[in-house]
Amino acid sequence: GESVGLHLPTLSVQEGDNSIINCAYSNSASDYFIWYKQESGKGPQFIIDIRSNMDKRQGQRVTVLLNKTVKHLSLQIAATQPGDSAVYFCAENMGYNFNKFYFGSGTKLNVKP
Amino acid sequence: DVKVTQSSRYLVKRTGEKVFLECVQDMDHENMFWYRQDPGLGLRLIYFSYDVKMKEKGDIPEGYSVSREKKERFSLILESASTNQTSMYLCASSLGRGSTEAFFGQGTRLTVV
Repeated sequence: GESVGLHLPTLSVQEGDNSIINCAYSNSASDYFIWYKQESGKGPQFIIDIRSNMDKRQGQRVTVLLNKTVKHLSLQIAATQPGDSAVYFCAENMGYNFNKFYFGSGTKLNVKP
Repeated sequence: DVKVTQSSRYLVKRTGEKVFLECVQDMDHENMFWYRQDPGLGLRLIYFSYDVKMKEKGDIPEGYSVSREKKERFSLILESASTNQTSMYLCASSLGRGSTEAFFGQGTRLTVV
């Protein structure tokens, strides 16, 4: 599979600030891009996805932006809270019939009180 | 809630041993996955199964095999454990073709000595 990588391995933000986590991908054929959150000692958990024909999608306090021109994906977290401290992974849904997920290397988000 | 259960949280095995990691999901999902997670490398797909007795290699299948005799259970087998297989192993499941949400187990921390 092709790689999905992250620009910043660690991001520290102040509680209440907005966070932006970035991801570069290389496979233009992916149909969906997905963000996962992994808290310490747990498995990753789905946050939000975006289809390749969209450029923006909003959820509760989170927004994902997709720029296909430069193959860039970002996750914006509004009013970051201590509970947002985790490792964030971007992933692509690909493979025959889009069954498989390929993950990036992750960004650790530290929220300072 | 979907539950993906991995049989062991921590496991210590000796080099050369045959190791079985078990995973069970309770939501009748078609797809099941095994990933390994290493610092700085993110989640790498070892094997994937889209149906009973069906499997597909991921990015790093060497040294591993899998078994899916029943829909709810997906086993990862290390034929002859080696120290470079010391890692966190994560099992996941997803509903089926086109699903963007994978549900993960808590992980098994395997140490091969």
